[in-house]
Amino acid sequence: KNEVEQSPQNLTAQEGEFITINCSYSVGISALHWLQQHPGGGIVSLFMLSSGKKKHGRLIATINIQEKHSSLHITASHPRDSAVYICAVAQDSNYQLIWGAGTKLIIKP
Amino acid sequence: EAQVTQNPRYLITVTGKKLTVTCSQNMNHEYMSWYRQDPGLGLRQIYYSMNVEVTDKGDVPEGYKVSRKEKRNFPLILESPSPNQTSLYFCASSLSNYLTGELFFGEGSRLTVL
Repeated sequence: KNEVEQSPQNLTAQEGEFITINCSYSVGISALHWLQQHPGGGIVSLFMLSSGKKKHGRLIATINIQEKHSSLHITASHPRDSAVYICAVAQDSNYQLIWGAGTKLIIKP
Repeated sequence: EAQVTQNPRYLITVTGKKLTVTCSQNMNHEYMSWYRQDPGLGLRQIYYSMNVEVTDKGDVPEGYKVSRKEKRNFPLILESPSPNQTSLYFCASSLSNYLTGELFFGEGSRLTVL
């Protein structure tokens, strides 16, 4: 079993829909990162969470440390949100990230 | 502007011809790292560095070397490239060695080894 599991692997939705991507992990962490990668493009950091909730524009990220689970939400989704969304966790007292496999999101106009 | 700069962005080379991919950051970050990304395998760490002259192996270090002589630079060296090193490479940096700060990535270097 992978230490970081993302779901779903693939998600196709219509423009305007509310999107949720989930990330579950099995190790103790000091931080959780959400990142975005557009096709053929670079990787951009969206959020770094150690507790609670963060919001940036139409993106919201939450984390529940007790349940070892995080969610990334996109409100009023738009075709430009089409990308791969990756969850990665920083383990306690460790210098490396454990990466999720990514969620490929396609938003249709 | 805060950024991580990688060069070259695209490179086609032949087996055995030494090459270096450069990485530079302008944010005075302690932590720098190299990843490779392959279809179906996601991101895998090659090497990382926590400060000048401090480097350590990641998950897939075979066939690669790194150095950290200056805080801002972290070059990736392929002494004798082989076709299985054909991949998309990313350099990343972070203020915190424990990765509790924002991550910054370079734009990626697509390497093809013939």
